[in-house]
Amino acid sequence: NAGVTQTPKFQVLKTGQSMTLQCAQDMNHNSMYWYRQDPGMGLRLIYYSASEGTTDKGEVPNGYNVSRLNKREFSLRLESAAPSQTSVYFCASSGAEKLFFGSGTQLSVL
Amino acid sequence: GENVEQHPSTLSVQEGDSAVIKCTYSDSASNYFPWYKQELGKGPQLIIDIRSNVGEKKDQRIAVTLNKTAKHFSLHITETQPEDSAVYFCAASMGIQGAQKLVFGQGTRLTINP
Repeated sequence: NAGVTQTPKFQVLKTGQSMTLQCAQDMNHNSMYWYRQDPGMGLRLIYYSASEGTTDKGEVPNGYNVSRLNKREFSLRLESAAPSQTSVYFCASSGAEKLFFGSGTQLSVL
Repeated sequence: GENVEQHPSTLSVQEGDSAVIKCTYSDSASNYFPWYKQELGKGPQLIIDIRSNVGEKKDQRIAVTLNKTAKHFSLHITETQPEDSAVYFCAASMGIQGAQKLVFGQGTRLTINP
């Protein structure tokens, strides 16, 4: 039982490059989320998808786009990466109220 | 929007002693309050949660208390062990269209000294 799987685990980008972070869950959860974690700031919500076919902005959506590909998969795209987007990114899913997190993607933008 | 403040940012206790981490929230409409434990290099893991219609919940050595009037909630760990060393996060939310938009505190780094 894998839970929430994120790829890649590590990534280094140059300013202006684009990339997509992938997330998949095997718990048949309706809702999925993308958070970023920065030192001293906890986790902040970027985007979420309450159900398949819907997406909504969270607290810090600027510079990101998302796609809810199907019930299992929720991707996060950086169209033109900036150094301010250096962070650890976590995907999560929930069936009712409990959120389950993946192991994270450490992203560095140089 | 919701704002969650967490204290202390670091906490060091002797093995076997108790540890208490406190959080305050701003939005009285919040009704769900989970606590997460994060070990180095891993994602946050849910350890206990409480809903606003309950004042206290306990699970073995871990307990959470909620004071809705004062808008604060606390995590209590008794008989601490070395494996309790980690970063702990509190969060608050209210369900929206089936989703939980958790707002997290800044985290507490707990160190258990042998």
